Amino acid sequence: QVQLQESGPRVVKPSQTLSLTCTVSGGSMSSGSNYWSWIRQPAGKALEWIGRIYPSGTTSYNPSLESRVTISVDTSKNQFSLQLNSVTAADTAVYFCARESYGDEYGYFFDFWGQGILVTVSS
Amino acid sequence: EIVLTQSPDFRFVTPKEKVTITCRASHNIGSSLHWYQQKPGQSPKLLIKYASQSISGVPSRFSGSGSGTEFTLTINSLEAEDAAAYYCHQSSDLPWTFGQGTKVGIK
Repeated sequence: QVQLQESGPRVVKPSQTLSLTCTVSGGSMSSGSNYWSWIRQPAGKALEWIGRIYPSGTTSYNPSLESRVTISVDTSKNQFSLQLNSVTAADTAVYFCARESYGDEYGYFFDFWGQGILVTVSS
Repeated sequence: EIVLTQSPDFRFVTPKEKVTITCRASHNIGSSLHWYQQKPGQSPKLLIKYASQSISGVPSRFSGSGSGTEFTLTINSLEAEDAAAYYCHQSSDLPWTFGQGTKVGIK
């Protein structure tokens, strides 16, 4: 059973960089045709997809955040990471990492999620 | 980007009642629509993939239907443990997007 676990600072100062890591266990990130995503959720609000990475390093980002986001991967550690620059209070949210899988029809779905980590932007 | 609009925003129901949640897409997304359940303090859980395909381990009272721009999640004979927020998600076109969510509460 694949498991994902987010880690990183829970408080970030305004204008600084938010950095999170997702550690994958129960299977190799490189073994299938999965993408690995970051998703966030402000308190009481809906889910927002941030971006994703393939084990080869290919990335896609949400245009709403693209200018501030970098997602990277370290397959030797079975980890992928999120960096979000120039944060403001609007970036305060629970951040989830998730696995994207592909079935017998078009498109990917999120079949495994981390428990989420609350990151607060505050001075 | 593809906008997903769910209705209703809130629904309060009695146990054993049938619940229907609708998700409308701003563009034709075929069957690239998935449903998730999120209980307070937890991460989302996949309920239905590709509009109507069941997921192993998910109770059979959960079902999905639709294609193109209109989709439905149905909970037959609601149980107290089904109190949660439900989200639709499209993977037809990047960026992936979610509906605003439907909160289901128990009377």
